[in-house]
Amino acid sequence: DVKVTQSSRYLVKRTGEKVFLECVQDMDHENMFWYRQDPGLGLRLIYFSYDVKMKEKGDIPEGYSVSREKKERFSLILESASTNQTSMYLCASRTQVRPLHFGNGTRLTVT
Amino acid sequence: GESVGLHLPTLSVQEGDNSIINCAYSNSASDYFIWYKQESGKGPQFIIDIRSNMDKRQGQRVTVLLNKTVKHLSLQIAATQPGDSAVYFCAENPGGGADGLTFGKGTHLIIQP
Repeated sequence: DVKVTQSSRYLVKRTGEKVFLECVQDMDHENMFWYRQDPGLGLRLIYFSYDVKMKEKGDIPEGYSVSREKKERFSLILESASTNQTSMYLCASRTQVRPLHFGNGTRLTVT
Repeated sequence: GESVGLHLPTLSVQEGDNSIINCAYSNSASDYFIWYKQESGKGPQFIIDIRSNMDKRQGQRVTVLLNKTVKHLSLQIAATQPGDSAVYFCAENPGGGADGLTFGKGTHLIIQP
């Protein structure tokens, strides 16, 4: 089974802090994704990557950046956290046109 | 079972009944569709998928129906069990494998004893 591991389940950060969310997958998938999930808004795509060092903006990239230095690892970076970035963050990976496999999420609170 | 529209966020069914969850997708070019189940505190889990060259696909206790004419997707769960309580999302693949999926808002399925 594919395993997507997000390094933290819960994070509490202060406004203005730089925040790193880490994600690792173990199935050699070329494609990796970061979504955020908010009540009433569903899952929205922030950034994705189809190869090492490649990145593409999703639907809501503002305030975020990403890094993919190794195929198995995809990091989401909040350069200066704000309260409107309080959310559940979900990392996913897949190969070709196949199901996305999700991690269990990181619930980030920015105070 | 009870048919619900995308705008209705909650579906309540009796244990043992069949459930039908509906979804309207937006992109006529989408070629691949997936249903996910999300339990509290967990990430979405894959249930079943269907490609656009099919109109029906069956799994264990689940069936997905695709109507491309009206851009409609449904998930049928047979003999609903307490463990089926969760939020169910449909997702469409509007591009190739490198692009992400576009998700519906989700339906919360509640199982009554």
